[in-house]
Amino acid sequence: DTGVSQNPRHKITKRGQNVTFRCDPISEHNRLYWYRQTLGQGPEFLTYFQNEAQLEKSRLLSDRFSAERPKGSFSTLEIQRTEQGDSAMYLCASSLSGFNEKLFFGSGTQLSVL
Amino acid sequence: AQSVSQHNHHVILSEAASLELGCNYSYGGTVNLFWYVQYPGQHLQLLLKYFSGDPLVKGIKGFEAEFIKSKFSFNLRKPSVQWSDTAEYFCAVNASSGAGSYQLTFGKGTKLSVIP
Repeated sequence: DTGVSQNPRHKITKRGQNVTFRCDPISEHNRLYWYRQTLGQGPEFLTYFQNEAQLEKSRLLSDRFSAERPKGSFSTLEIQRTEQGDSAMYLCASSLSGFNEKLFFGSGTQLSVL
Repeated sequence: AQSVSQHNHHVILSEAASLELGCNYSYGGTVNLFWYVQYPGQHLQLLLKYFSGDPLVKGIKGFEAEFIKSKFSFNLRKPSVQWSDTAEYFCAVNASSGAGSYQLTFGKGTKLSVIP
């Protein structure tokens, strides 16, 4: 099953450290999305790529967050100077580029900031 | 901006009972509506979606949802639940065009526990 793959599955870090997550979408999908989910909440949109272009960013994405998709394939999400409030599940999803195509989600990276 | 309300946080049913999970959204324009499901230990997956046309939408595993525009609602239903339906269910909406049309706004989710 070549679904959306996210690494690592879990990340524990100390406050103030930088962390980077990776997402490998389904190979033929040229749209890629990042969402964040905290306990008791639904996923919240962070950002969206069409190929290598980052087309939309949520106001949730502070300047400590940066996402890239350099070759239009895998994507990375970096959080600098982590804070305890960054603790969450970070979800990646991908889709084809047609009208309202179905999103395929990965299993997420669980970040715990101590 | 869109918002989604799911009024039930946790629903507990016996097998064969009927299910209805409420979802209401707030948005001033035309929307697309979705139900996603997350089974224990698995990733989010699409259950069903509504874009236009027949407001009664049928999805996988016997689920259906009805879009009632006047009530801004998109409730999920299943006539007879099974133990395997135990999962968390999320209602989601996006604008059907324009800015934000690639952003899904999710509700907080409803946990369904089905007792054998």
